[in-house]
Amino acid sequence: EVQVVESGGGLVRPGRSLRLSCTASGLTFGDYAVNWVRQAPGKGLEWVGFITNKGSGETTQYAASVKGRFTISRDDSKSIAYLQLNSLRTDDTAVYYCGPFHYYSVSMRYMDVWGKGTTVTVSS
Amino acid sequence: SYDLTQPPSVSVSPGQTANITCSADKLGETYACWYQQKAGQSPVLVIYRDNRRPSGIPERFSGSNSGNTATLTISGAQAMDEADYYCQAWDRSAFWVFGGGTKLTVL
Repeated sequence: EVQVVESGGGLVRPGRSLRLSCTASGLTFGDYAVNWVRQAPGKGLEWVGFITNKGSGETTQYAASVKGRFTISRDDSKSIAYLQLNSLRTDDTAVYYCGPFHYYSVSMRYMDVWGKGTTVTVSS
Repeated sequence: SYDLTQPPSVSVSPGQTANITCSADKLGETYACWYQQKAGQSPVLVIYRDNRRPSGIPERFSGSNSGNTATLTISGAQAMDEADYYCQAWDRSAFWVFGGGTKLTVL
C-alpha cells in the first residue's frame, strides 16, 4: 500500500523559512514525480509545485504565487521530497499536502494518494 | 492563466442524481479528474482520466469530459457523499490546475 507522510510544519514568523518533508513508502520512489498542494483555512486546493523524477530531468515547476520563494528537491535514496519555504508570508498559512504521480503522460497527472498534510502557520 | 470554473454549491435529495460541472476553454482536449474532500479530511481521488474510478470508489460515481465541460455525476446520492468536490486538469502553461470546489449538500 502506498503511503505518504508530510512533516515539518509549524508556527513561523513572516519572512522566515521552513522545510517540509514528504516521505513515501510502498512504491519505487524514483519512478515518480512529486507534487505539492496546499489548502488555506476554509479555502480550496491550490497547486504549489512539483518535481519530476530523474528520468525526466528532476525538473521543477512552481505556481506563480510561490515562484522564487519555494524550492522543491528530492532524495531518492531516502524516498523523501522536500519543500523549502523561504520569505514566508501570512497568506502562505495552509495545510500542505504532497503526493507522487506519473509525469510521463498527461493522462497520469493526478494524485491518487494523499497524506494527512502538515500545517504551516505564518504569524507574528 | 487557465481557470477551471465550478459552481460553489450543488444540492440534491437522497437517492437523486447530482451533477457537478467543471468548465474551461477546450477542457475536453485534456484529461480531468475529481477529488472528494469531506470535512476535516484529506482529499480522495474519485475519478481520473475523465471517467475512470479508482478501486474502492462506488459505482455511483462517474465522470465525463467533452467540449468545454467535465462533469462528475453521482447517481443515487447518499448522505455520505456530502463533501467538497474539486476538479483538476493539466495545462501546458499553468501546469496543475484545480477548480474552486463545489460543496455538495444531500438533503
